[in-house]
Formats: sequence, structure tokens, C-alpha cells
Amino acid sequence: ETGVTQTPRHLVMGMTNKKSLKCEQHLGHNAMYWYKQSAKKPLELMFVYSLEERVENNSVPSRFSPECPNSSHLFLHLHTLQPEDSALYLCASSQGVGTGGRTGNTIYFGEGSWLTVV
Amino acid sequence: DQQVKQNSPSLSVQEGRISILNCDYTNSMFDYFLWYKKYPAEGPTFLISISSIKDKNEDGRFTVFLNKSAKHLSLHIVPSQPGDSAVYFCALNTGNQFYFGTGTSLTVIP
Repeated sequence: ETGVTQTPRHLVMGMTNKKSLKCEQHLGHNAMYWYKQSAKKPLELMFVYSLEERVENNSVPSRFSPECPNSSHLFLHLHTLQPEDSALYLCASSQGVGTGGRTGNTIYFGEGSWLTVV
Repeated sequence: DQQVKQNSPSLSVQEGRISILNCDYTNSMFDYFLWYKKYPAEGPTFLISISSIKDKNEDGRFTVFLNKSAKHLSLHIVPSQPGDSAVYFCALNTGNQFYFGTGTSLTVIP
């Protein structure tokens, strides 16, 4: 139990479907992340939210749409995905540091949502 | 441009011996270094970390070493146990940004 909960754990969707991944953190953190892990590739950062504001979007296709309604919840809305989007999607949270902060930051991951696009 | 490299995709070690996992990086901007362990079908779990102002941090069987001049990070596990078999990722942190290596798959042979 890492304090970061993701649902669903497994999702199979067609290319024309619309679905959402949900993440909730119980750690009191103020930064939340979406990562994608494909086979034999490093973890790819997709989105970062700090204090509910999106601060980074690593050129992710628009078929992925994040939503962060508050500091404890994060969603990833999916629509018209492609088979190559099949991967493990990991949500994470961290305490977050302000600019100039020197304190180290630790990121905690959820169990992941396995997505298969057919 | 890969900022973090784990050049060994896999490692096999006999139970009871030392496992050494390595990580190299290219940029000096990082101020915090972490190791994560990942089992199949699970998210990575935090293991141990070290600040850039230190060169060693120990927690039980796990020790992390940092060589800033060589831009090299390593994780020592001793004694290795079969339950340590997993994929290990190093991660480098600055602010809210984390950069992960590609992982090293450790197999501890009973």
C-alpha cells in the first residue's frame, strides 16, 4: 500500500471508445503525475500537476486529456486511442518543492492501470 | 536525449552474495537520487535515496553510493535474497522533475 490508488487496474477498450483512468492519493502531496511505461522503454512522463496547475505536458497526443480537480485526485481521459497506446499507465504523487527549494523530493507510484487498445 | 542510463539490462547473483546495480547520468543539475524496485504488474516502490551533499546512505541491506565527479550512482544489496528479484530503476530528481533509467532486472538465484 503506497498511498496512491489507481482504478481500474485493467482496461480493454476499442479505438472508438472513451474511458477514464482515475488516481487518488492519500499522502497529502501537492504534485501528481501520469507516466506511461511501454515494454523495454524507460518511464515516460506524460503530465505533471503541481498545486492543481498543469506545469508540464511532454508533447503528449491530444487523445490523452488529464484532469486534476483537486490535489488528491487525478484523471486521465482517453479517447480514440491507437493500439500502440497499449501500456501500463502509472500515477504518482510527491510532496513537491517550490522554486529554490533544496529539499529532496520522493515520488510514490500507484499500482498502475494496464491498458489494452484493440 | 537520455539523461539517465542503466547500462546493464539484467544481472544474476547467487543468494547471499552482493548485488551491485549501476546508474550513470549526464547532467549535474540533480540534487536528489533515488532507487525504486518494481515487480511485474505492479508500480515501482521507493527503496532508498541520497542527497547530492552525501556520498553514501545505508538502510539495512541496501546501500546507495553517489560519485558526483563521475556522475555515477550505485545500489548495493547484501546479502541478496530471492525476494530481491525484480527490476530496479534509478531516478534523478530536481524540483518536481524526475528522470528514470531504463531499469536493471535482478535475478537472485537460490
